Amino acid sequence: GAVVSQHPSWVICKSGTSVKIECRSLDFQATTMFWYRQFPKQSLMLMATSNEGSKATYEQGVEKDKFLINHASLTLSTLTVTSAHPEDSSFYICSARDPHGTYEQYFGPGTRLTVT
Amino acid sequence: AQSVTQLDSQVPVFEEAPVELRCNYSSSVSVYLFWYVQYPNQGLQLLLKYLSGSTLVKGINGFEAEFNKSQTSFHLRKPSVHISDTAEYFCAVTKETSGSRLTFGEGTQLTVNP
Repeated sequence: GAVVSQHPSWVICKSGTSVKIECRSLDFQATTMFWYRQFPKQSLMLMATSNEGSKATYEQGVEKDKFLINHASLTLSTLTVTSAHPEDSSFYICSARDPHGTYEQYFGPGTRLTVT
Repeated sequence: AQSVTQLDSQVPVFEEAPVELRCNYSSSVSVYLFWYVQYPNQGLQLLLKYLSGSTLVKGINGFEAEFNKSQTSFHLRKPSVHISDTAEYFCAVTKETSGSRLTFGEGTQLTVNP
């Protein structure tokens, strides 16, 4: 149980275009999901907390107009990188909070974004 | 605010040797601690967690960790490593009032050599 999927697993897009990444909880309902960014050989940086039915809470320094987060259902959160630039190239990972309140997060497999 | 320090960025060991990956945290309140493993180009997998109770926590793949409140540490250990344990290991902490937001350490690359 507690499986989180991400789609796509990798994507290449041209500079100036937008790309959407989906994060799904497959066998449980996730009222809270998290989006992380990870650069090569570095740790995970929390970008935002996504709550179902409400606006996402962004971490300091993260541009909310550039990284649009939508959590429209209890099993799906999406991250849209708008007007992507090469510096947005990164590994994006989502996670879902354990619905049973153990403070654990279940992580998706990640999405590798390359902007050319 | 809480923070996590992983004292070693890289730990090379030989197969079947014991290993310890060190993690220290700082927080003024009670915390919950986790160790995650990440294989190349993959997400994170939970190895073990400390929420309360026994300070010695056993996880998957033969790993264990000990919560030491006085030393604010949560070191990860394995008595005998395998080649397949080669991966990046992250220590993470959260607290009751943080809405399960995790703070991660910088990671430790464990490389097991034959």
